Amino acid sequence: AQTVTQSQPEMSVQEAETVTLSCTYDTSESDYYLFWYKQPPSRQMILVIRQEAYKQQNATENRFSVNFQKAAKSFSLKISDSQLGDAAMYFCAYRSANTGNQFYFGTGTSLTVIP
Amino acid sequence: DTGVSQDPRHKITKRGQNVTFRCDPISEHNRLYWYRQTLGQGPEFLTYFQNEAQLEKSRLLSDRFSAERPKGSFSTLEIQRTEQGDSAMYLCASRTTAGRQETQYFGPGTRLLVL
Repeated sequence: AQTVTQSQPEMSVQEAETVTLSCTYDTSESDYYLFWYKQPPSRQMILVIRQEAYKQQNATENRFSVNFQKAAKSFSLKISDSQLGDAAMYFCAYRSANTGNQFYFGTGTSLTVIP
Repeated sequence: DTGVSQDPRHKITKRGQNVTFRCDPISEHNRLYWYRQTLGQGPEFLTYFQNEAQLEKSRLLSDRFSAERPKGSFSTLEIQRTEQGDSAMYLCASRTTAGRQETQYFGPGTRLLVL
């Protein structure tokens, strides 16, 4: 089974600053999807950003962008101009485009935003 | 609101009792997923449906767990003879397979506590 590793259990950032959350994954496949989900305290998980492995260009969504390094199997999330509302648990997830249908999630990074 | 909904949001039960959770996916979504999330962990895949067919089950899904999606719309997850180890958040997610819509949309979850 594929594994997704988030090596930073907790991170903190000053409001308006930039923070990068790391994620690595293990797969032998070439076609897959990667996601970052955000789970605020006691609230439901929402999609932040996604990346198709066949695309070389890094995905961006407003203040959120990724650094996708396919050869290194790395998929980090950069949050620019951090806001208090960004405080949440962030999960990295992987899904194969070909085999099975499961999403594999990392253990999450808890982000604190300091006013 | 046309998001994924789950009912109940919280459930407290005594060990040995049966519990049933319901998930209503986004209406046009043909795929429905169940996950379990324990404290400090990412969601773990349990099972998924395409329309009314249950296509994949995780080894985590013991024979005490059963899921149905009888008309291809809402789904139920039943846990029989609950154990304290079943205490977790049970998440439902849905997506469409039309186009390359790979994103899963999550419900708010049902938090189960087994005493």
